[in-house]
Amino acid sequence: AQSVTQLDSHVSVSEGTPVLLRCNYSSSYSPSLFWYVQHPNKGLQLLLKYTSAATLVKGINGFEAEFKKSETSFHLTKPSAHMSDAAEYFCVVSTLAGGATNKLIFGTGTLLAVQP
Amino acid sequence: DVKVTQSSRYLVKRTGEKVFLECVQDMDHENMFWYRQDPGLGLRLIYFSYDVKMKEKGDIPEGYSVSREKKERFSLILESASTNQTSMYLCASSLWRGQARTDTQYFGPGTRLTVL
Repeated sequence: AQSVTQLDSHVSVSEGTPVLLRCNYSSSYSPSLFWYVQHPNKGLQLLLKYTSAATLVKGINGFEAEFKKSETSFHLTKPSAHMSDAAEYFCVVSTLAGGATNKLIFGTGTLLAVQP
Repeated sequence: DVKVTQSSRYLVKRTGEKVFLECVQDMDHENMFWYRQDPGLGLRLIYFSYDVKMKEKGDIPEGYSVSREKKERFSLILESASTNQTSMYLCASSLWRGQARTDTQYFGPGTRLTVL
């Protein structure tokens, strides 16, 4: 069965410093992986997705993630945090569901705080 | 831009009431999903639908039902609301491109339901 584990429930960084949000996955086949972001009182927005084309995936707002099969990891990084990055981030894996549809399995989320 | 709208941002209901949550998408997507989001648990799939009048149970369907009479609309029904159904409910939609491909899910802003 597919699953994801987000290793930190809270991460705090200073503005201008790098961001690292960690995610490990479990999958019996080559997975599709996503990072979504949720700002306070907003819906979820797709940051980036990996679908086996390239192991380093670039997303919106300067975020990127690297798929490492040997480590079963898909960590999210950003070189320099901005105050507007403060939000909750979800690592997500896709799995097969009924009707030939894929469904998403969400991690429990990492709340990113950015200090001035 | 894909737009997924939900009928209410905030809803307060009493125990035992029948509750309807409505979701509409404007991009002719085949797949629609209902999730609930609880702190520390991430998002959990309640039901999904891959076609009109088709529905499949997700991971936590107990206490819920759904209806999809038109392609653009997917309703979540709480037949007899209980306090443990107090949560944030998120609707999403995606294209269907066959079992081998995973398409991005687009989320609505969410409905925060409180059951007293």
